[in-house]
Amino acid sequence: QSALTQPASVSGSPGQSITIPCTGTSSDIGTYTYVSWYQQLPGRAPKIIIYDVTKRPSGVSNRFSGSKSGNTASLTISGLQAEDEADYHCSSYTTITGVMFGGGTKLTVL
Amino acid sequence: QVQLVQSGAEVKKPGASLKVSCKASGYTFSDYYIHWVRQAPGQGLEWMGWINPDSGGTNYAQRFHGWVTMTRDTSINTVYMDLSSLKSDDTAVYYCARSGYGCSGGSCYHYYYGMDVWGHGTTVTVSS
Repeated sequence: QSALTQPASVSGSPGQSITIPCTGTSSDIGTYTYVSWYQQLPGRAPKIIIYDVTKRPSGVSNRFSGSKSGNTASLTISGLQAEDEADYHCSSYTTITGVMFGGGTKLTVL
Repeated sequence: QVQLVQSGAEVKKPGASLKVSCKASGYTFSDYYIHWVRQAPGQGLEWMGWINPDSGGTNYAQRFHGWVTMTRDTSINTVYMDLSSLKSDDTAVYYCARSGYGCSGGSCYHYYYGMDVWGHGTTVTVSS
């Protein structure tokens, strides 16, 4: 089974907003609200930044927001900062296998 | 504080088996699922499955059926992940991660398909 689809890389300048899409199917993102997003700094374990499509865990900056439309979920980072440079991974519940991740997106802050 | 401590790095030969442990502390062990996720070098995350420490029930990703086994020892708040018949492309960092608990709009609840606490990872190298 294929992973959720994310762009390999995105970039933006400090202060800008960027959006990372995550495309699935009707077996996962299209039907369920169990989408999470993770930030992974180099050499570190992932850290959850969004769960259940739109919710932010305590302590996560409100510059991070999540949304969903049809089979595509999106992570938006506003007011981009140098410290946001990292890999971002989406995941979703799927009826086929339980949980599925996207391939990951490398964010570069120019 | 809440943490998951994993066993140390492993070097294995092709065909061997692997056992990685994940010891939980700082919370009620039986209240949260433990997921296992791996990441091959330079690659994305791959979900392997989860175990319910309360019941011992498991749910494995399709591609790992018959190949992975997840167990737990409630007396020491530890879960284990066994992977058999290792190949070179099983070289990866293996993470355990706890299912989540969050609060929104004044209500708090468990969310089982996201992971809010992660172990530090166990590096596994499979090479002849």
